[in-house]
Amino acid sequence: DAGVIQSPRHEVTEMGQEVTLRCKPISGHDYLFWYRQTMMRGLELLIYFNNNVPIDDSGMPEDRFSAKMPNASFSTLKIQPSEPRDSAVYFCASSFIGTSGDTDTQYFGPGTRLTVL
Amino acid sequence: AQSVTQLDSHVSVSEGTPVLLRCNYSSSYSPSLFWYVQHPNKGLQLLLKYTSAATLVKGINGFEAEFKKSETSFHLTKPSAHMSDAAEYFCVVSERDTGFQKLVFGTGTRLLVSP
Repeated sequence: DAGVIQSPRHEVTEMGQEVTLRCKPISGHDYLFWYRQTMMRGLELLIYFNNNVPIDDSGMPEDRFSAKMPNASFSTLKIQPSEPRDSAVYFCASSFIGTSGDTDTQYFGPGTRLTVL
Repeated sequence: AQSVTQLDSHVSVSEGTPVLLRCNYSSSYSPSLFWYVQHPNKGLQLLLKYTSAATLVKGINGFEAEFKKSETSFHLTKPSAHMSDAAEYFCVVSERDTGFQKLVFGTGTRLLVSP
């Protein structure tokens, strides 16, 4: 398996521009998570999906952030308009319910390093 | 709410010496506990996981961790450090949230390995 795939790996943009981050979860996984990592706040869960449906978006910092999962193999995180304080590494992760109902082992992608100038 | 405290922000060891990364957790019931490793400019990789079976958990790359309920600890150890072990290590506890187990991350410990 290729693991969780994220693109782009690096993104540099100017304040006010729209940014779209992409994620392909591991095939067969039914949970997908978006995290943000910064020096100040560490790893924060932004939103997660189960079977393509957003379950909890309470971690999304503000209305400028939105996430979609149109099918089981693709998700996007969009920031519009972007601001310098959005600069961070954004991780996507996926997991699945095994026979024991265990969903808490998450597999992370390599991340997208976003820089907003 | 559950939480984890990583007691050291940085740990420095020499190659070939033992590694100890400390983690204490707070939980109102039997938790699942993890250690993840993040190498520079890479994603997080699962090292090992405790789920209430054996209290000594063996992970990848020679790492292991011992769950001690009486001390609410889950320290990560390795008998002999290798240069490639230099990375950031995160202790993680899972928190049940309406059926879904959300991960709560510690602040991380950066392991430095000198020749």
